[in-house]
Amino acid sequence: EIVLTQSPVTLSLSPGETATLSCRASRSLSSVLLAWYQKKPGQPPRLLIYGTSTRATGIPDRFSGGGNDGSGTDFTLTVTRLEPEDSAVYYCHQYGNLPLTFGGGTEVEIK
Amino acid sequence: QEQLVESGGGVVQPGKSLRLSCAASGFTFSSYSLHWVRQVPGKGLEWVAFSSSDGSNTYYADSVKGRFTISRDNSKNTLHLQMNSLRPGDTAVYYCAREGFPDNSAFPDDHCDLWGQGTLVTVST
Repeated sequence: EIVLTQSPVTLSLSPGETATLSCRASRSLSSVLLAWYQKKPGQPPRLLIYGTSTRATGIPDRFSGGGNDGSGTDFTLTVTRLEPEDSAVYYCHQYGNLPLTFGGGTEVEIK
Repeated sequence: QEQLVESGGGVVQPGKSLRLSCAASGFTFSSYSLHWVRQVPGKGLEWVAFSSSDGSNTYYADSVKGRFTISRDNSKNTLHLQMNSLRPGDTAVYYCAREGFPDNSAFPDDHCDLWGQGTLVTVST
């Protein structure tokens, strides 16, 4: 099983700042099979990024995804110009290896 | 409008069974692979099960293998999750989710772009 470790666990930032979220895989995975979701209480997960860096339909360009230099283990989600509505838990998710797995989440609080 | 609507959740005693349903509309249901994903209250997301577009290929998380069965009726645009021998640890909101691109792949190989609102299952005495 591929374990996804997200850091930090919580992030407290002010509006307008930039959030950088990390997701590390326990072993190399294909970068085309890594996604990021935003989860708010009482709502289903919202797809933000798939294939490591492709924004889903309707997602503003403040959200961007990336991988590292090719190790296939380190991925990032960057959210620029933070807005109050960005308060949520963000999950990375790998969908190329069974069992599919999610990271433990990073909670982003907008102060 | 593309939509997934779950139903069938509720309170059930340990050891009992429950069947969840997910009704789809607004897209060609039979062309898409589907998943069940759950979230224990206050915890993270956990993948539960996968069904290929024609239902011939299914996969499960180890935590539910042998107890849960995913199935689909493409004539009725409906996905099911039969949950047997339920445990308190199965208490969660259960979401059905659609893979992002239509295909007939035998394996999960795509992000999920459409999710239902979820249905709460509580396993308790």
